[in-house]
Amino acid sequence: NAGVMQNPRHLVRRRGQEARLRCSPMKGHSHVYWYRQLPEEGLKFMVYLQKENIIDESGMPKERFSAEFPKEGPSILRIQQVVRGDSAAYFCASSPPGRSFTDTQYFGPGTRLTVL
Amino acid sequence: DAKTTQPPSMDCAEGRAANLPCNHSTISGNEYVYWYRQIHSQGPQYIIHGLKNNETNEMASLIITEDRKSSTLILPHATLRDTAVYYCIVRVLNTGTASKLTFGTGTRLQVTL
Repeated sequence: NAGVMQNPRHLVRRRGQEARLRCSPMKGHSHVYWYRQLPEEGLKFMVYLQKENIIDESGMPKERFSAEFPKEGPSILRIQQVVRGDSAAYFCASSPPGRSFTDTQYFGPGTRLTVL
Repeated sequence: DAKTTQPPSMDCAEGRAANLPCNHSTISGNEYVYWYRQIHSQGPQYIIHGLKNNETNEMASLIITEDRKSSTLILPHATLRDTAVYYCIVRVLNTGTASKLTFGTGTRLQVTL
C-alpha cells in the first residue's frame, strides 16, 4: 500500500510566479491536511480538506494561498505570486474516512519550495 | 488542544532505552496523546497514541500517568536511526470530523555510539 505521495519534491520559483504542490493521499483515505514548516521552525497547520470540500482553513494565509481536493485527482496547494517568505517545506497528510474520531494522519515526504 | 511541554533535547546511547517525557497537565478527558517524530526534515512519522491505558507497538511504548497529566515515550533499544525530533501532541476528540495536529517544538533526541 503506497504511502502519501507529494510532487514535486523540490520546486524553485522566482518571485511573482505561481507554485502548485500536489498531494495524493494513501489509498482509501479521503481526508487531506496541509502543513507548512518554515526553516528551523515546527510544522504549522494550514488547511484540512475532504473530497470537494474545505473543512478547516484556519491556518491558511488570507491572500495568495488556495487549496482544493477534487473528486478525481490529487489535492493541490496553490500559491500565487510567490514571495521569498513562502520558501518552506510543505507537507501533506492523509487519514481515512471518519470511522473513528481519532484517525491517525500519515505524512508525505514534503515539497521543498525555494523562492529566488 | 492542550499545551504540551517537552525538554528541548536529550541524548541516549545506542542500544539503551530512550525515555522521552511529555507534560500535558491541562489535558481534557476527550484528548488523546499522540507521538510523531521527524527525521532530518523528512515528513513526520506516526509512532503511537493512547488515551489513558499504556500502549505498545512495534516501534515504541507509551506510558500515560493515571492522572493523564504526563506521559513517556519509550524506545526500548535506541539505534542511530532513531535520532530525530520527537513531538508529543494532544488531540481533541471531535464529533464526526478529524482534527488538525498542533506541533510544538519537540525533543531533539540524539542517539550516540
